[in-house]
Amino acid sequence: AQKVTQAQTEISVVEKEDVTLDCVYETRDTTYYLFWYKQPPSGELVFLIRRNSFDEQNEISGRYSWNFQKSTSSFNFTITASQVVDSAVYFCALSDHNTDKLIFGTGTRLQVFP
Amino acid sequence: ETGVTQTPRHLVMGMTNKKSLKCEQHLGHNAMYWYKQSAKKPLELMFVYNFKEQTENNSVPSRFSPECPNSSHLFLHLHTLQPEDSALYLCASSQVGQTSGNTIYFGEGSWLTVV
Repeated sequence: AQKVTQAQTEISVVEKEDVTLDCVYETRDTTYYLFWYKQPPSGELVFLIRRNSFDEQNEISGRYSWNFQKSTSSFNFTITASQVVDSAVYFCALSDHNTDKLIFGTGTRLQVFP
Repeated sequence: ETGVTQTPRHLVMGMTNKKSLKCEQHLGHNAMYWYKQSAKKPLELMFVYNFKEQTENNSVPSRFSPECPNSSHLFLHLHTLQPEDSALYLCASSQVGQTSGNTIYFGEGSWLTVV
């Protein structure tokens, strides 16, 4: 069975702090895809990143970076120098090689205070 | 502006009402989805449509009735709902092709309250 676990329910930081959101996944597939989405209070799920299981290279996009480690089945997300606008719920998700269906974690609510 | 638009953004309905949620995607995708997001629950996939054909119904009660007249439009017809159906309903789309794991793009959601 596929499963995504985001153990951190809520994280609070002060602006300019770095913060890491954890994501651990379970799958028996050898080919799979991992995603992160951001959900601001408006409700829309904003796509942030997609990685396939064969690409373990870490990725950096501005203040965002992702650390994919197959050995620990983790796909962690770090925001450097956090800003108030980063406040949102962040979801990690997994899809298998057969479909585009996403299995979501329960999300981590990030609050960044000025 | 999002490539997937949903209307209405907010809906309050009584348990005996009939209403519909509408979704339109402007991304040229061929698959559309309805997801439900309840408080303190993971996002749940409800329905999947590929090329206008329903390919998945995730054991959704019949009081939710989807309709996909073309690849760009998706409706969710609501009838005799229960208060526990109050949730955020998210529409999404993706381009299904020879490869899988395609990125799914979501709309802003429709906040539904059943009273």
